[in-house]
Amino acid sequence: KAGVTQTPRYLIKTRGQQVTLSCSPISGHRSVSWYQQTPGQGLQFLFEYFSETQRNKGNFPGRFSGRQFSNSRSEMNVSTLELGDSALYLCASTRERGETQYFGPGTRLLVL
Amino acid sequence: AQKITQTQPGMFVQEKEAVTLDCTYDTSDQSYGLFWYKQPSSGEMIFLIYQGSYDEQNATEGRYSLNFQKARKSANLVISASQLGDSAMYFCAMRERTGGFKTIFGAGTRLFVKA
Repeated sequence: KAGVTQTPRYLIKTRGQQVTLSCSPISGHRSVSWYQQTPGQGLQFLFEYFSETQRNKGNFPGRFSGRQFSNSRSEMNVSTLELGDSALYLCASTRERGETQYFGPGTRLLVL
Repeated sequence: AQKITQTQPGMFVQEKEAVTLDCTYDTSDQSYGLFWYKQPSSGEMIFLIYQGSYDEQNATEGRYSLNFQKARKSANLVISASQLGDSAMYFCAMRERTGGFKTIFGAGTRLFVKA
């Protein structure tokens, strides 16, 4: 069974731009969560989607948003990028809410 | 509030020896799950082992075992017979039912396996 896939793997943007990251969960998994990982803050929860609905949200500004499609694929969007948004963005999927999360390889975003 | 503490920023272990990575947690929930993940330099988080709060036996998965001491709120990861490929960051994580299954992670422990 294929694992979680994330695209793109690497991205370079400039301040003020916006970016969209994509995550395809393991087949049959319905929940997708997003995390931001930085050296200073560690792994921080962004949001969780289940059945196309946001079920949980972390403590991030409104510039961070996401959505989930009927096939469980998810996208997250960051608008008006700031230098501090440079991070590894990880997506994780679970079959049902509350089960073990399986992570994708991540998207490394660099904001210049 | 949920909290996960990993007090060892870095650890060294000799190849073929066992190593214990510490993790303590704080929760007022009765139902929760504890996880360990490995993150190599490539960045991907690899699931290693899971322990449920109601599980009476310590979880084991191959060379990985979880030393679960509920009263002390600790969930230490034991890696037996360390291999060079075990060199990576290791994260302890907790998920509570209340709060909507949000998972929080500790700061991580970087393990170095010496040949």
